[in-house]
Amino acid sequence: EVQLVESGGGLVQPGGSLRLSCATSGFTFSSYAMSWVRQAPGKGLEWVSGISGSGDRPFYADSVRGRFTISRDNSKNTLHLQVKSLRAEDTAIYYCAISGPFGGVIVLSYFDYWGQGVLVTVSS
Amino acid sequence: EIVLTQSPATLSLSPGERATLSCRASQSITKYLAWYQQKPGQAPRLLIYDTSNRATGIPTRFSGSGSGTDFTLTINSLEPEDFAVYYCQQRSNWLSFGGGTKVEIK
Repeated sequence: EVQLVESGGGLVQPGGSLRLSCATSGFTFSSYAMSWVRQAPGKGLEWVSGISGSGDRPFYADSVRGRFTISRDNSKNTLHLQVKSLRAEDTAIYYCAISGPFGGVIVLSYFDYWGQGVLVTVSS
Repeated sequence: EIVLTQSPATLSLSPGERATLSCRASQSITKYLAWYQQKPGQAPRLLIYDTSNRATGIPTRFSGSGSGTDFTLTINSLEPEDFAVYYCQQRSNWLSFGGGTKVEIK
């Protein structure tokens, strides 16, 4: 069974930083591209960042480029998102998701498995 | 940036009725559109990908159609568990989501 469990969220002041993690199991992690998708409270979905299975190809939405860094540790089956220079508009639930359903090769794809999300609140 | 516009914002229907949801792209995305269902407090679930392909385990009452800029998700004979918010997403040029359509019980 595929499992994605996010952690690392919380309350942070504007300008602050956090490191989000997504622990995975139930599939061959290194074979699948992964992404982070966020959802502001009561709002729609926004893709934030994605990364190839090998970790050598990261992609970012314009809204976070230069502030967020995606990475992965294939030895620990874990995806990370380092978020810096946080703004109030970054407040959201952050989901990690597996790129699919084409075998995980395409980074900018759809998402066929999602974690339950972790809340990041940016407020003073 | 490709903008996806979903309509209507809210659809009020009764169980057993058919739901027709629309997603319009600001430019052609050929067939590269997916649909997701999201229930309160849950992560989204992939329903349809590449316009008309049902994801694993998705009931046949869900179907997708369209091409270019205009796409439709049809839910035949709504079941109680189908009342939720539905999002479209494109992968033609980077990634973007529509604003969602809420299907509520009339």
